Amino acid sequence: GENVEQHPSTLSVQEGDSAVIKCTYSDSASNYFPWYKQELGKRPQLIIDIRSNVGEKKDQRIAVTLNKTAKHFSLHITETQPEDSAVYFCAVFWGGGADGLTFGKGTHLIIQP
Amino acid sequence: SQTIHQWPATLVQPVGSPLSLECTVEGTSNPNLYWYRQAAGRGLQLLFYSVGIGQISSEVPQNLSASRPQDRQFILSSKKLLLSDSGFYLCAWSSGRGSSYNSPLHFGNGTRLTVT
Repeated sequence: GENVEQHPSTLSVQEGDSAVIKCTYSDSASNYFPWYKQELGKRPQLIIDIRSNVGEKKDQRIAVTLNKTAKHFSLHITETQPEDSAVYFCAVFWGGGADGLTFGKGTHLIIQP
Repeated sequence: SQTIHQWPATLVQPVGSPLSLECTVEGTSNPNLYWYRQAAGRGLQLLFYSVGIGQISSEVPQNLSASRPQDRQFILSSKKLLLSDSGFYLCAWSSGRGSSYNSPLHFGNGTRLTVT
């Protein structure tokens, strides 16, 4: 099956600085890579996703980059704000039996005022 | 638009008691349905998924089971709960196999289960 590694587990940045979270995966057949944001006690919500035929995607302050050769993808948040504090999960869809997403273990992003 | 309903929001059950969590989706047909579990401060673990009525695939062997009696209804059950079953249970849906591309998961609000 697919194996997803996410780093770091905790990330603390000053408000206004940028944050980068990285995930690696093992199955080269994986073709869909979403990112979810989960605030305390709430459900994960999709914030951005990228498919394997695209190298980069941006939505306002959030961007995702994908390197298929190296099998890693990253979430970039610029000009961080207090409301960006949450746990972020990367996920990989590989469709090789488990018809669902394999999630990374999550990154707790803390925005320091 | 599509919506997903999951209940109850919280549940406290004694060890050895049965469990039934229900999830329904509105506004879409033939969705893929999923049950995930999240232990406190941990990641998301896929428990079951279903691509159609009566079709259930289990990812993790345990004392839980799932059923899909209707197209947009997904139920998570247990005959006898264990302490280790405590956690945050999330139902989710995605577009079914008729889609031409992989689609994202949309989660319900979750059920926080505490087994005492």
